[in-house]
Amino acid sequence: GQQLNQSPQSMFIQEGEDVSMNCTSSSIFNTWLWYKQDPGEGPVLLIALYKAGELTSNGRLTAQFGITRKDSFLNISASIPSDVGIYFCAGQSGAGGTSYGKLTFGQGTILTVHP
Amino acid sequence: GAGVSQSPRYKVAKRGQDVALRCDPISGHVSLFWYQQALGQGPEFLTYFQNEAQLDKSGLPSDRFFAERPEGSVSTLKIQRTQQEDSAVYLCASSLHRLNTEAFFGQGTRLTVV
Repeated sequence: GQQLNQSPQSMFIQEGEDVSMNCTSSSIFNTWLWYKQDPGEGPVLLIALYKAGELTSNGRLTAQFGITRKDSFLNISASIPSDVGIYFCAGQSGAGGTSYGKLTFGQGTILTVHP
Repeated sequence: GAGVSQSPRYKVAKRGQDVALRCDPISGHVSLFWYQQALGQGPEFLTYFQNEAQLDKSGLPSDRFFAERPEGSVSTLKIQRTQQEDSAVYLCASSLHRLNTEAFFGQGTRLTVV
């Protein structure tokens, strides 16, 4: 089945640093989404991307939908302690009639921010 | 309600026991999804409902897993004869309509089978 490879698996950074993580796939996705999950909580949507090449920002977060539609990255600028958590990329392919939003998730990037 | 609500938050089951997990989606949301999240992994798709119709159950790992949404709102995921490998967080998500991929997730039910 479809798989998303997310990297890095974990990051340890100092408060104020910028962070970059990415996701790659062997198959094409029509939509890319980035979620953040805090311990004991469900994933919360951060950014949604709908067009190849699209660059979207949400506050200190910026994400891009790769031109090939097989990759996406997320940048966090000027990190703060509350950025701590697990970040997941997710793709929606629309293949095989699954145009209803079925998502394939990456393995997650664990972000730790040291004050 | 304001968000997707799942109950119970935690469930401990003895191996072989049946369990039922409940999801209350956001009011008016047509689409409802169940995902399974193993420890240290991303969520994996289990099944999808459009209103009361279960349109995709390709992710259900075995015939011990059964989901329903009889009136197109609340959904229940039932696991019969639980096994240790069923231990995971079960997440429910809903979205406004079929073509809307921006799903909102509940807090999940953490199932531990002992």
